[in-house]
Amino acid sequence: EPEVTQTPSHQVTQMGQEVILRCVPISNHLYFYWYRQILGQKVEFLVSFYNNEISEKSEIFDDQFSVERPDGSNFTLKIRSTKLEDSAMYFCASSEGGPSYGYTFGSGTRLTVV
Amino acid sequence: AQSVTQPDIHITVSEGASLELRCNYSYGATPYLFWYVQSPGQGLQLLLKYFSGDTLVQGIKGFEAEFKRSQSSFNLRKPSVHWSDAAEYFCAVGPSYGGATNKLIFGTGTLLAVQP
Repeated sequence: EPEVTQTPSHQVTQMGQEVILRCVPISNHLYFYWYRQILGQKVEFLVSFYNNEISEKSEIFDDQFSVERPDGSNFTLKIRSTKLEDSAMYFCASSEGGPSYGYTFGSGTRLTVV
Repeated sequence: AQSVTQPDIHITVSEGASLELRCNYSYGATPYLFWYVQSPGQGLQLLLKYFSGDTLVQGIKGFEAEFKRSQSSFNLRKPSVHWSDAAEYFCAVGPSYGGATNKLIFGTGTLLAVQP
């Protein structure tokens, strides 16, 4: 069964450093998403991406965050200057179409900012 | 505002016992409804989804869920729990067709423990 692949599975970074989280969505999917889950809290929507542009973003997704689909297969989330509160599990998801197609999530990247 | 409530943070059941996890939602229109499961260190796996039609939907691993519009609920059930079902379960709502957004809204999750 096709999978969404995320790398790395765990990243530790110092506060103020830039990090890039990588995702390889399912190949025929058109919609891409990033969600995050702070430890003990709910899964929160960050951003959706379609047709090479951001289609929706949450208030969490401020100027420190950016997304890119650099080569037609990878989908990346960049955090420019990490803060302690960015420590969370970050999930990538993709979808073949709109909501009725469902969403396939990756296994996540645990980001720890120290 | 759109929201999902899972009132039970932690549930413990005995292996072989039946299970019901509660989910209530607040949404402007009839949403699409999902249940996901997250095992430790794993991603979110889709158990089942409801879009329309029969209000009782079957999913993987023997799970089912029933949509009750009058109660704004989408409770997850399993008649006989296995030890491998121990995990965290998330209810989520998404926009129905034609909505202006594609994002999912998740509940806070219910952590299921299974006693031998």
